[in-house]
Amino acid sequence: KAGVTQTPRYLIKTRGQQVTLSCSPISGHRSVSWYQQTPGQGLQFLFEYFSETQRNKGNFPGRFSGRQFSNSRSEMNVSTLELGDSALYLCASSQQETQYFGPGTRLLVL
Amino acid sequence: GQNIDQPTEMTATEGAIVQINCTYQTSGFNGLFWYQQHAGEAPTFLSYNVLDGLEEKGRFSSFLSRSKGYSYLLLKELQMKDSASYLCAVRDEGDDKIIFGKGTRLHILP
Repeated sequence: KAGVTQTPRYLIKTRGQQVTLSCSPISGHRSVSWYQQTPGQGLQFLFEYFSETQRNKGNFPGRFSGRQFSNSRSEMNVSTLELGDSALYLCASSQQETQYFGPGTRLLVL
Repeated sequence: GQNIDQPTEMTATEGAIVQINCTYQTSGFNGLFWYQQHAGEAPTFLSYNVLDGLEEKGRFSSFLSRSKGYSYLLLKELQMKDSASYLCAVRDEGDDKIIFGKGTRLHILP
C-alpha cells in the first residue's frame, strides 16, 4: 500500500498570503488528522476529519481551516499568514488506533 | 489540563540499553503511543499501550502504568540508526484528541 502523501513538500510565502496544503491518506483510511510541528512547541494538533466531517479541533485561530473530500483526501488552508506560521505541517491517516504520518509540508513565511 | 512530560535529551552508547520516560496528566485516557522521528522526517509508529504492562516488539519495549500516569520506552542493543527523537503521545478519552509530548532527542555514541 502506498503511504500518506502530502503536497507540496516545501513552500515559501509572505505575510498576509494564504496557503492550501493537500494530504492523500493511505487507501482505505477514512480518518485524517493535521498537526503543526515547530522546534519550540513540538507536535500540536490542528484538526481531525472523518468521512468528510470535522470530528475534532485543536486550539488554533480561525485562520486555520480544513476539509475532507469524499475520497478521504484532505486539505488545510491557512489565511493571512503570519511569521509564526512557519512550521512543518504533518498529516496523518488512521484506520483504528494507529496514525501513519506523511512526510509533511515545510512552510516558510517571510 | 493536559500535559505530557519527557526528557528533552538523552545520550547512550552503541550496544547499550536506554529507557525514555514519559509522564502524563490528561482528563481521560484512551491509549498511549510512542513514535520515532529522525531529523527531517515524519514520525513513525513504534508502539501502542492501552492496558498496564509491558509490550515487547523486537529491540523496543513499551511499558504503561495508568494509575501512575507513566510510561517508558526501552531500547536494547542500541544502534547508531536509533539516534532520533522519540515522541510520547496520549489519546485523551474526554475529547478524543491525541496530545504529543515535545519529544526526547536521543544521541547514540560509538
